[in-house]
Amino acid sequence: EAGVTQFPSHSVIEKGQTVTLRCDPISGHDNLYWYRRVMGKEIKFLLHFVKESKQDESGMPNNRFLAERTGGTYSTLKVQPAELEDSGVYFCASSQRRSGGHNEQFFGPGTRLTVL
Amino acid sequence: AQSVTQLGSHVSVSEGALVLLRCNYSSSVPPYLFWYVQYPNQGLQLLLKYTSAATLVKGINGFEAEFKKSETSFHLTKPSAHMSDAAEYFCAVSDLGDSSYKLIFGSGTRLLVRP
Repeated sequence: EAGVTQFPSHSVIEKGQTVTLRCDPISGHDNLYWYRRVMGKEIKFLLHFVKESKQDESGMPNNRFLAERTGGTYSTLKVQPAELEDSGVYFCASSQRRSGGHNEQFFGPGTRLTVL
Repeated sequence: AQSVTQLGSHVSVSEGALVLLRCNYSSSVPPYLFWYVQYPNQGLQLLLKYTSAATLVKGINGFEAEFKKSETSFHLTKPSAHMSDAAEYFCAVSDLGDSSYKLIFGSGTRLLVRP
């Protein structure tokens, strides 16, 4: 079974440009999460999808970030326009949906974004 | 707000020595607790988790962690380090009342294993 995949693995852009990150969750996983790790600090939650609906977007830093999950399959995270402080590693994770209890989140390898 | 503290951004041990990575959480209500490991160029992999069952949790690769409510701690241990254990380790929590089950991470501890 394929794991969570993310594309691209690395992206280098200039300040003011737009970048779109993609995440393909494990097939059948309704939950999809985006996290970010900036400059060796802690990994921070960005948002959570259940299928195509945003369940929790309390971690989104500002309106330059737009996440979508059309059709409830893969997800994209767009940063427009990118700023220097957006540099970091963006992780995607997915989990099964089950009532009650905590389901293991499976993480992708991350996309390393560098904004110059 | 819930927070997680990992003492020591880097820990260095000799091969065969005890591994102890420390984690403390801030919640007065015991949350779900996790340890993840990240090997170079890979995603985070779940080592073990505590979900209010046994306080001593055994995970993969010989790791275990003990939940101590009185100390709000969930330290990770392994009796004998192996070179392949060199990686970055993350402690994380998830609040029981959070329907999103989002993870709150510590800042990570990089484990170095000396031959």
